[in-house]
Amino acid sequence: AQSVTQLDSHVSVSEGTPVLLRCNYSSSYSPSLFWYVQHPNKGLQLLLKYTSAATLVKGINGFEAEFKKSETSFHLTKPSAHMSDAAEYFCVVSDPQDAGANSKLTFGKGITLSVRP
Amino acid sequence: DTGVSQDPRHKITKRGQNVTFRCDPISEHNRLYWYRQTLGQGPEFLTYFQNEAQLEKSRLLSDRFSAERPKGSFSTLEIQRTEQGDSAMYLCASSRQVNQPQHFGDGTRLSIL
Repeated sequence: AQSVTQLDSHVSVSEGTPVLLRCNYSSSYSPSLFWYVQHPNKGLQLLLKYTSAATLVKGINGFEAEFKKSETSFHLTKPSAHMSDAAEYFCVVSDPQDAGANSKLTFGKGITLSVRP
Repeated sequence: DTGVSQDPRHKITKRGQNVTFRCDPISEHNRLYWYRQTLGQGPEFLTYFQNEAQLEKSRLLSDRFSAERPKGSFSTLEIQRTEQGDSAMYLCASSRQVNQPQHFGDGTRLSIL
């Protein structure tokens, strides 16, 4: 079975300061990991994905994430927050080698990122 | 690539009524997924299609729920005899094939009075 833990439900940063959104996962196989962002009343937009290639993954809008197998973590970072980054962020796991999973996505509970002027 | 389209964006109905939502995936995407998102939670998997075949249904999908993808293109999700607990955002996603990223629509927000 696969699962995702996002311990922080809310993170608040000042504009121009670094962002760190934490994610830990559990998977029986070599997982695919994703970060999605959701703005109010909108669908989910893919920020980046890890699929067993480079452990440091670069995404859109200056975000990146590092896969650390030893820590079962996939934290999302950005060097400098912008007001437009305020949104809900979801860490997501998929087990492509698990035939029973059928590539369905398992989401964490999400982190609300607030950016102060 | 026009994106995943969902209709309607919002649906308000009385308890006990039937509702139907539509999802138009990105063209040539073989896989189509339905998720449900309640307030303050991440989306939860409901069901998915490979072309017109419905290959998996979550235990969340009670017998009041039915989904179809008759020609392997658009899909519908119907909820019969709606209940208060059905109030949620219903999200549709599609992908070109297995293990490819899923692209989401903006969802249909269902409110039960």
